[in-house]
Amino acid sequence: KAGVTQTPRYLIKTRGQQVTLSCSPISGHRSVSWYQQTPGQGLQFLFEYFSETQRNKGNFPGRFSGRQFSNSRSEMNVSTLELGDSALYLCASSLAYDYGYTFGSGTRLTVV
Amino acid sequence: GDSVTQMEGPVTLSEEAFLTINCTYTATGYPSLFWYVQYPGEGLQLLLKATKADDKGSNKGFEATYRKETTSFHLEKGSVQVSDSAVYFCALRELGGSSNTGKLIFGQGTTLQVKP
Repeated sequence: KAGVTQTPRYLIKTRGQQVTLSCSPISGHRSVSWYQQTPGQGLQFLFEYFSETQRNKGNFPGRFSGRQFSNSRSEMNVSTLELGDSALYLCASSLAYDYGYTFGSGTRLTVV
Repeated sequence: GDSVTQMEGPVTLSEEAFLTINCTYTATGYPSLFWYVQYPGEGLQLLLKATKADDKGSNKGFEATYRKETTSFHLEKGSVQVSDSAVYFCALRELGGSSNTGKLIFGQGTTLQVKP
């Protein structure tokens, strides 16, 4: 069965622009989470969605937002990009919160 | 808040050596614990998990036991292979007010390099 699909795989943006990243979870998975991975801060939780509702949010500025659609697909948006937003953004999906999450390969965002 | 601490890497071993990667956690209550592995250029793969004290998770020759007395979840493998070279992350699932959350808190990761 297909895994978690993230698009695009790579992205280069300029400071001040905005970006939207997409995540398609495994079929049947209703829980989707997003993480930011950087060499300095490691893996940090961004948001968690379940059935289109944001259930949890990490400690990121309001420039980071997300949503989940009725088919469980999710998007995250970063507005007014800063150099420090350069990172690997990982999406993960799960049947339920205690099953363990399956991660996608990530979107590598570079802000120049 | 909750946190996870892993031993610093890199860990360099010869093929067929015994592996231990230490992981300790700080949390309120008894969170579920996980080990994830990340190969170069890829996302994270769930390696094993344990949901309650004394549970042992195992997969592909890797094992870890949930020790509440020492708040630890050390990863072990009896005989490593070159193909095990990767970054290993220990994580806990944060317990919310109603335990209804999937938020994972990760350790910093430990790089394992296995030489032939």
